[in-house]
Amino acid sequence: AQSVAQPEDQVNVAEGNPLTVKCTYSVSGNPYLFWYVQYPNRGLQFLLKYITGDNLVKGSYGFEAEFNKSQTSFHLKKPSALVSDSALYFCASDSGGYNKLIFGAGTRLAVHP
Amino acid sequence: DGGITQSPKYLFRKEGQNVTLSCEQNLNHDAMYWYRQDPGQGLRLIYYSQIVNDFQKGDIAEGYSVSREKKESFPLTVTSAQKNPTAFYLCASSPGQGINPKAYGELFFGEGSRLTVL
Repeated sequence: AQSVAQPEDQVNVAEGNPLTVKCTYSVSGNPYLFWYVQYPNRGLQFLLKYITGDNLVKGSYGFEAEFNKSQTSFHLKKPSALVSDSALYFCASDSGGYNKLIFGAGTRLAVHP
Repeated sequence: DGGITQSPKYLFRKEGQNVTLSCEQNLNHDAMYWYRQDPGQGLRLIYYSQIVNDFQKGDIAEGYSVSREKKESFPLTVTSAQKNPTAFYLCASSPGQGINPKAYGELFFGEGSRLTVL
């Protein structure tokens, strides 16, 4: 069965420091991987995705993610965190087409001033 | 502005009652989805529809029903058969597979409906 794991419930980082939110996947075939962000009591917003090509993908709001096939990981990164980046982040993978995504449990990012 | 509108934002229900959550989109998207969000469990797919008058069960369809009579609308009914209906429900849409391959996996979400069973 395909699955996505986010090993950290919460990540704390000081404003201005780099941040990493971890994601590992278990999918058959070529993985399609995604990151979404959710602000309190809101829907999810698409950040970025890896389908094929360059292992480093860039997305919205200065975020980027690195696809690592050997480690089956797709970690979300940002060089310098902002307090406004504080939110719930979800990693997701494709589940057999039709835009059916499997989501991880989510990681809460807290950026402190 | 184009987007997805979910209503109501908050809903309280007594046990044994059915309740219908509304989802309307004006993005001209073919595909629509319903997800359920519970703390610490991420999102789980309830139902999805790729085209009008057609829909398929997701991973947790038991106790739920949907209809897709219009392209713009995909209402979800939480029936009394759903054992633990208290949750945050999210509706999403996408252009549909094959319509815009570059946008694959990019779902547009509504702001959600929070259902509480008393």
